[in-house]
Amino acid sequence: EVQLVESGGGLVQPGGSLRLSCAASGFTFSSYSMNWVRQAPGKGLEWVSYISSSSSTIYYADSVKGRFTISRDNAKNSLYLQMNSLRAEDTAVYYCARALMTTVTLGHSYYYYYYMDVWGKGTTVTVSS
Amino acid sequence: DIQMTQSPSTLSASVGDRVTITCRASQSISSWLAWYQQKPGKAPKLLIYKASSLESGVPSRFSGSGSGTEFTLTISSLQPDDFATYYCQQYNSYSLTFGGGTKVEIK
Repeated sequence: EVQLVESGGGLVQPGGSLRLSCAASGFTFSSYSMNWVRQAPGKGLEWVSYISSSSSTIYYADSVKGRFTISRDNAKNSLYLQMNSLRAEDTAVYYCARALMTTVTLGHSYYYYYYMDVWGKGTTVTVSS
Repeated sequence: DIQMTQSPSTLSASVGDRVTITCRASQSISSWLAWYQQKPGKAPKLLIYKASSLESGVPSRFSGSGSGTEFTLTISSLQPDDFATYYCQQYNSYSLTFGGGTKVEIK
């Protein structure tokens, strides 16, 4: 069974740090790009960060750029999110999600499009004093 | 960033009703659109990708259509299990963005 299990959430003070983990099983983790998506209490979904299968390509939402770092360990089938300088507005459920990629070739150019087909159950991060 | 606008934000319907949710993009996203269903306290579940492709295992009463900037999710005959919040999400840009969500409530 394909499964993603997040951990590492908790209560942290503003300005503090937290490291989230996501353990993958049931599929070849090293073949897939991965994402973090969050959802503030009572709010909608917000994409946070993306990492390619080999870690060669990484993207961040503007709201977390410079504060969060995404990484992965393919040998351990694990995805991580290091969160520093946390703010109250970072309070949310954090989901890891597998990316399913479509590649479009136009001449000599390649374009990559990805959506998220498998999601974990999430881990809750609360930033409060 | 590409902005995604869903309407309505809340929809009241009865079992058996045909339900349509609209999603508009601030610029053309071709067909790079996905729809997700989320129930309270649960993770989102993929329903539709590439605007109209049904994810494996998703009931055929769900369908998606549209391209460019205007998209719809249709539930042909609403079932009790379908009461949930639905989100559209564009993936034309590496910076993924979601619509604000449509909550489908029991009438």
